[in-house]
Amino acid sequence: SQTIHQWPATLVQPVGSPLSLECTVEGTSNPNLYWYRQAAGRGLQLLFYSVGIGQISSEVPQNLSASRPQDRQFILSSKKLLLSDSGFYLCAWSLTPIAGGVADTQYFGPGTRLTVL
Amino acid sequence: QKEVEQDPGPLSVPEGAIVSLNCTYSNSAFQYFMWYRQYSRKGPELLMYTYSSGNKEDGRFTAQVDKSSKYISLFIRDSQPSDSATYLCAMRRTGGGADGLTFGKGTHLIIQP
Repeated sequence: SQTIHQWPATLVQPVGSPLSLECTVEGTSNPNLYWYRQAAGRGLQLLFYSVGIGQISSEVPQNLSASRPQDRQFILSSKKLLLSDSGFYLCAWSLTPIAGGVADTQYFGPGTRLTVL
Repeated sequence: QKEVEQDPGPLSVPEGAIVSLNCTYSNSAFQYFMWYRQYSRKGPELLMYTYSSGNKEDGRFTAQVDKSSKYISLFIRDSQPSDSATYLCAMRRTGGGADGLTFGKGTHLIIQP
């Protein structure tokens, strides 16, 4: 069965510091990968998605970036955090119907709670 | 008008009651509909998905889609305190691709013992 891991679970960082959040998926190959941010009262906001190694699409302009160095690894980064970057960051994966997935149904990881002070 | 509207609640009901959660949407291109359950400080967990109009049942949960009204529902029978969570509806268009899902903001459900 497939599992998705995220770390760290919680993180407190000062404004202006760098960020690196990691997500890995086990038990599947060539998944689509997603980064979301969930802020209080604002729902889930799609930040980045990737259909393959080195292929990243950005949905929202911001000071965050994403990379996919390996098939099942997705990294969210920032060079300098802002207060507004605080939130709950979720990684998700899906398989396209061609690869056996259903409607690109997405499965979420446990999340990273980031507080920028 | 937002693409997906969902009442944030909170919705508080006694244990054993039937719960009805709903979303409305504006984009008639949506074809796949999902419900996620999210416990506090956890990632969303997929509960149900349906394609196009109709009903789908899984244990105590029933998902219903009415495309003519652009309205989807999730019913929970014999509700339990463990059902207390935020329920998110999500939907996507046809055609595949990795453009993500469109989510409602979630309804906070409280089941009173």
